[in-house]
Amino acid sequence: DSGVTQTPKHLITATGQRVTLRCSPRSGDLSVYWYQQSLDQGLQFLIQYYNGEERAKGNILERFSAQQFPDLHSELNLSSLELGDSALYFCASSPGINTEAFFGQGTRLTVV
Amino acid sequence: AQSVAQPEDQVNVAEGNPLTVKCTYSVSGNPYLFWYVQYPNRGLQFLLKYITGDNLVKGSYGFEAEFNKSQTSFHLKKPSALVSDSALYFCAVRGPWDARQLTFGSGTQLTVLP
Repeated sequence: DSGVTQTPKHLITATGQRVTLRCSPRSGDLSVYWYQQSLDQGLQFLIQYYNGEERAKGNILERFSAQQFPDLHSELNLSSLELGDSALYFCASSPGINTEAFFGQGTRLTVV
Repeated sequence: AQSVAQPEDQVNVAEGNPLTVKCTYSVSGNPYLFWYVQYPNRGLQFLLKYITGDNLVKGSYGFEAEFNKSQTSFHLKKPSALVSDSALYFCAVRGPWDARQLTFGSGTQLTVLP
């Protein structure tokens, strides 16, 4: 168990809908990262927050947004969902730049 | 921009034989290198990292990796493979400053045959 908790584990929704994925980082970790894993794109970095502030952006679509709350948990919002958004979404946290990131079990999103 | 290449999609090895999973990287400055393993329907588990120091780093489950700066490589190795090592392995790099996120390779599926 990495200590990073993601909910829900599975999500099935229709095209055009909006969903929210939730992540609780390891206790004390200030950095939260979101990644998307799909068969054709591999593991893609989406966005990073550090202590509530956005720090880095990767290949995140405009339909997607994220935030990190004062208690350090983070949410990834996906809207106007398309079939191609079906993927495994991972959250990871780390205490600092020199350390490894610890990954949650992921949320499997299926858009039908 | 930083990048990682894992040239082999699939590696097959017999149980008890040594295994190598290859990784090369590109990054400005000194790299921070990581290996992760992913079992089916699970998240990524950290195996080992190289930040600085000895070029040979040891990690979990008997794995080790060798950092080679001149070849920009960070190959994962294990002297004697187990069937339970069968999984998807990812190499990742993080730049020493601005780019704090991990950039992952495409992954290598390791199959250890009994």
